[in-house]
Amino acid sequence: GDSVTQKEGLVTLTEGLPVMLNCTYQTIYSNAFLFWYVHYLNESPRLLLKSSTDNKRTEHQGFHATLHKSSSSFHLQKSSAQLSDSALYYCALSDWETGNTGKLIFGLGTTLQVQP
Amino acid sequence: DPKIIQKPKYLVAVTGSEKILICEQYLGHNAMYWYRQSAKKPLEFMFSYSYQKLMDNQTASSRFQPQSSKKNHLDLQITALKPDDSATYFCASSQGTGNTEVFFGKGTRLTVV
Repeated sequence: GDSVTQKEGLVTLTEGLPVMLNCTYQTIYSNAFLFWYVHYLNESPRLLLKSSTDNKRTEHQGFHATLHKSSSSFHLQKSSAQLSDSALYYCALSDWETGNTGKLIFGLGTTLQVQP
Repeated sequence: DPKIIQKPKYLVAVTGSEKILICEQYLGHNAMYWYRQSAKKPLEFMFSYSYQKLMDNQTASSRFQPQSSKKNHLDLQITALKPDDSATYFCASSQGTGNTEVFFGKGTRLTVV
Protein backbone atom coordinates (compact mmCIF):
# COMPACT_ATOMS: atom_id res chain seq x y z
CA GLY A 1 0.00 0.00 0.00
CA ASP A 2 0.86 3.67 -0.08
CA SER A 3 3.28 5.00 2.50
CA VAL A 4 5.16 8.18 3.41
CA THR A 5 8.53 8.28 5.10
CA GLN A 6 9.91 11.19 7.05
CA LYS A 7 13.18 9.94 8.43
CA GLU A 8 13.95 12.81 10.77
CA GLY A 9 11.80 12.98 13.85
CA LEU A 10 13.50 16.14 15.09
CA VAL A 11 15.50 18.78 13.28
CA THR A 12 17.16 21.49 15.34
CA LEU A 13 18.54 24.56 13.58
CA THR A 14 19.95 27.94 14.37
CA GLU A 15 17.94 30.89 13.10
CA GLY A 16 19.06 32.00 9.67
CA LEU A 17 20.29 28.62 8.50
CA PRO A 18 18.60 26.77 5.62
CA VAL A 19 15.87 24.26 6.29
CA MET A 20 15.44 20.93 4.56
CA LEU A 21 12.92 18.37 5.76
CA ASN A 22 12.94 15.09 3.90
CA CYS A 23 9.93 13.25 2.54
CA THR A 24 9.82 10.17 0.38
CA TYR A 25 6.81 8.16 -0.60
CA GLN A 26 5.66 4.90 -2.12
CA THR A 27 2.67 4.39 -4.34
CA ILE A 28 1.88 2.11 -7.24
CA TYR A 29 0.05 4.92 -9.03
CA SER A 30 1.74 7.46 -11.27
CA ASN A 31 -0.52 10.39 -10.42
CA ALA A 32 0.52 11.04 -6.83
CA PHE A 33 -0.50 14.19 -4.98
CA LEU A 34 1.93 15.32 -2.29
CA PHE A 35 1.23 17.74 0.53
CA TRP A 36 3.09 19.42 3.37
CA TYR A 37 1.06 20.30 6.46
CA VAL A 38 2.34 22.42 9.34
CA HIS A 39 1.05 21.92 12.87
CA TYR A 40 1.75 24.59 15.47
CA LEU A 41 1.18 23.75 19.11
CA ASN A 42 -2.48 24.19 20.16
CA GLU A 43 -3.49 24.95 16.59
CA SER A 44 -4.97 22.93 13.73
CA PRO A 45 -2.74 21.26 11.17
CA ARG A 46 -2.90 23.41 8.04
CA LEU A 47 -1.83 23.00 4.46
CA LEU A 48 1.50 24.59 3.59
CA LEU A 49 2.22 23.25 0.10
CA LYS A 50 0.86 20.78 -2.40
CA SER A 51 1.92 19.44 -5.77
CA SER A 52 1.12 16.81 -8.32
CA THR A 53 3.35 18.09 -11.13
CA ASP A 54 6.67 16.39 -11.65
CA ASN A 55 9.77 18.58 -11.38
CA LYS A 56 7.83 21.79 -10.74
CA ARG A 57 8.79 23.96 -7.75
CA THR A 58 5.90 24.97 -5.49
CA GLU A 59 6.28 27.89 -3.08
CA HIS A 60 4.28 29.33 -0.22
CA GLN A 61 5.15 31.54 2.75
CA GLY A 62 8.88 31.26 2.11
CA PHE A 63 8.86 27.46 1.89
CA HIS A 64 9.28 25.51 -1.32
CA ALA A 65 9.22 21.93 -2.48
CA THR A 66 9.61 20.10 -5.77
CA LEU A 67 7.95 16.80 -6.52
CA HIS A 68 10.42 14.39 -8.08
CA LYS A 69 8.61 11.29 -9.24
CA SER A 70 11.85 9.64 -10.37
CA SER A 71 13.07 9.55 -6.78
CA SER A 72 9.59 9.59 -5.11
CA SER A 73 10.57 12.62 -3.08
CA PHE A 74 8.98 15.88 -1.98
CA HIS A 75 11.46 17.58 0.35
CA LEU A 76 10.49 20.82 2.09
CA GLN A 77 13.00 23.65 1.99
CA LYS A 78 13.44 27.20 3.16
CA SER A 79 16.47 29.39 2.61
CA SER A 80 16.56 30.91 6.09
CA ALA A 81 14.90 29.51 9.21
CA GLN A 82 12.97 31.80 11.53
CA LEU A 83 12.05 31.23 15.17
CA SER A 84 8.38 31.24 14.15
CA ASP A 85 8.97 28.22 11.88
CA SER A 86 9.25 25.97 14.94
CA ALA A 87 6.43 23.46 14.50
CA LEU A 88 5.58 19.91 13.50
CA TYR A 89 5.65 19.31 9.75
CA TYR A 90 3.79 16.46 8.09
CA CYS A 91 4.24 15.14 4.59
CA ALA A 92 1.15 13.50 3.13
CA LEU A 93 0.17 11.58 0.01
CA SER A 94 -2.95 10.81 -1.95
CA ASP A 95 -3.39 9.14 -5.30
CA TRP A 96 -6.25 8.69 -7.74
CA GLU A 97 -7.74 5.86 -5.68
CA THR A 98 -7.43 7.37 -2.19
CA GLY A 99 -8.15 10.83 -3.56
CA ASN A 100 -11.63 9.73 -4.58
CA THR A 101 -12.47 9.22 -0.92
CA GLY A 102 -10.42 12.15 0.35
CA LYS A 103 -8.01 9.94 2.22
CA LEU A 104 -4.57 11.36 3.02
CA ILE A 105 -1.68 9.15 4.07
CA PHE A 106 0.63 10.92 6.47
CA GLY A 107 4.24 10.44 7.49
CA LEU A 108 5.26 10.42 11.13
CA GLY A 109 6.09 14.10 11.03
CA THR A 110 9.26 16.09 11.64
CA THR A 111 9.50 18.53 14.52
CA LEU A 112 11.49 21.59 13.52
CA GLN A 113 13.06 23.51 16.39
CA VAL A 114 14.66 26.81 15.47
CA GLN A 115 16.98 28.27 18.08
CA PRO A 116 18.24 31.85 18.39
CA ASP B 1 -12.02 32.32 14.45
CA PRO B 2 -12.14 28.54 14.15
CA LYS B 3 -14.16 27.20 11.23
CA ILE B 4 -14.05 23.58 12.36
CA ILE B 5 -15.22 23.20 15.93
CA GLN B 6 -14.43 20.09 17.89
CA LYS B 7 -15.85 19.44 21.34
CA PRO B 8 -14.63 18.73 23.90
CA LYS B 9 -10.99 19.71 23.67
CA TYR B 10 -9.99 17.19 26.34
CA LEU B 11 -11.83 14.08 27.45
CA VAL B 12 -11.06 11.48 30.09
CA ALA B 13 -13.10 8.28 29.96
CA VAL B 14 -13.27 5.07 31.91
CA THR B 15 -12.53 1.76 30.20
CA GLY B 16 -15.73 0.23 28.90
CA SER B 17 -17.65 3.47 28.69
CA GLU B 18 -19.01 5.25 25.61
CA LYS B 19 -18.22 8.76 24.41
CA ILE B 20 -19.23 11.00 21.52
CA LEU B 21 -16.79 13.43 19.95
CA ILE B 22 -18.49 16.41 18.35
CA CYS B 23 -17.48 18.08 15.09
CA GLU B 24 -19.10 20.95 13.20
CA GLN B 25 -17.66 22.80 10.23
CA TYR B 26 -18.67 26.23 8.98
CA LEU B 27 -16.72 26.24 5.74
CA GLY B 28 -19.61 25.09 3.57
CA HIS B 29 -17.72 21.93 2.72
CA ASN B 30 -19.34 18.79 1.38
CA ALA B 31 -16.82 16.25 2.66
CA MET B 32 -15.86 15.54 6.26
CA TYR B 33 -13.34 13.20 7.83
CA TRP B 34 -12.01 11.76 11.05
CA TYR B 35 -8.33 11.14 11.68
CA ARG B 36 -6.65 9.73 14.76
CA GLN B 37 -3.19 10.36 16.10
CA SER B 38 -1.85 7.98 18.73
CA ALA B 39 1.48 8.41 20.46
CA LYS B 40 4.43 7.97 18.08
CA LYS B 41 2.16 7.18 15.14
CA PRO B 42 1.25 9.27 12.10
CA LEU B 43 -2.11 10.89 11.59
CA GLU B 44 -4.26 7.92 10.62
CA PHE B 45 -7.30 8.19 8.37
CA MET B 46 -10.47 6.72 9.90
CA PHE B 47 -13.53 7.76 7.87
CA SER B 48 -14.60 10.01 5.05
CA TYR B 49 -18.13 11.24 4.34
CA SER B 50 -19.35 13.12 1.31
CA TYR B 51 -22.81 14.68 1.29
CA GLN B 52 -23.49 12.73 4.49
CA LYS B 53 -22.70 9.40 2.85
CA LEU B 54 -19.87 7.14 3.95
CA MET B 55 -17.12 7.10 1.33
CA ASP B 56 -14.36 5.19 3.06
CA ASN B 57 -13.94 3.38 6.36
CA GLN B 58 -10.43 2.36 7.39
CA THR B 59 -11.33 1.55 10.98
CA ALA B 60 -11.31 -2.14 11.70
CA SER B 61 -13.45 -1.89 14.79
CA SER B 62 -17.22 -1.37 14.73
CA ARG B 63 -16.83 0.38 18.10
CA PHE B 64 -16.16 3.54 16.10
CA GLN B 65 -19.33 4.90 14.50
CA PRO B 66 -19.57 8.25 12.71
CA GLN B 67 -22.88 10.07 12.94
CA SER B 68 -23.91 12.77 10.49
CA SER B 69 -27.15 14.52 11.46
CA LYS B 70 -26.48 17.48 9.15
CA LYS B 71 -24.14 18.10 6.24
CA ASN B 72 -21.82 20.20 8.40
CA HIS B 73 -21.78 17.76 11.35
CA LEU B 74 -19.81 14.56 11.71
CA ASP B 75 -19.71 13.24 15.23
CA LEU B 76 -17.76 10.17 16.28
CA GLN B 77 -19.30 7.70 18.72
CA ILE B 78 -16.87 5.34 20.41
CA THR B 79 -18.25 2.47 22.48
CA ALA B 80 -16.63 0.02 24.87
CA LEU B 81 -13.61 2.29 25.24
CA LYS B 82 -10.17 0.75 25.72
CA PRO B 83 -6.91 2.33 26.90
CA ASP B 84 -5.53 1.81 23.37
CA ASP B 85 -8.18 4.24 22.10
CA SER B 86 -6.30 7.03 23.85
CA ALA B 87 -5.32 9.46 21.12
CA THR B 88 -6.02 12.85 19.66
CA TYR B 89 -8.94 12.68 17.24
CA PHE B 90 -8.99 15.26 14.46
CA CYS B 91 -12.04 16.18 12.46
CA ALA B 92 -11.41 17.59 9.00
CA SER B 93 -13.31 18.80 5.96
CA SER B 94 -12.82 19.70 2.32
CA GLN B 95 -14.89 21.10 -0.51
CA GLY B 96 -14.89 17.74 -2.24
CA THR B 97 -13.02 14.48 -2.06
CA GLY B 98 -10.90 14.88 -5.18
CA ASN B 99 -7.50 15.85 -3.79
CA THR B 100 -8.70 19.28 -2.67
CA GLU B 101 -7.31 21.07 0.36
CA VAL B 102 -8.27 19.43 3.64
CA PHE B 103 -8.87 21.67 6.66
CA PHE B 104 -8.47 20.30 10.17
CA GLY B 105 -9.95 21.07 13.55
CA LYS B 106 -7.81 21.44 16.66
CA GLY B 107 -8.58 17.93 17.83
CA THR B 108 -10.07 16.21 20.85
CA ARG B 109 -7.53 14.57 23.13
CA LEU B 110 -9.08 11.42 24.55
CA THR B 111 -7.53 9.57 27.48
CA VAL B 112 -9.02 6.24 28.50
CA VAL B 113 -8.16 5.13 32.03
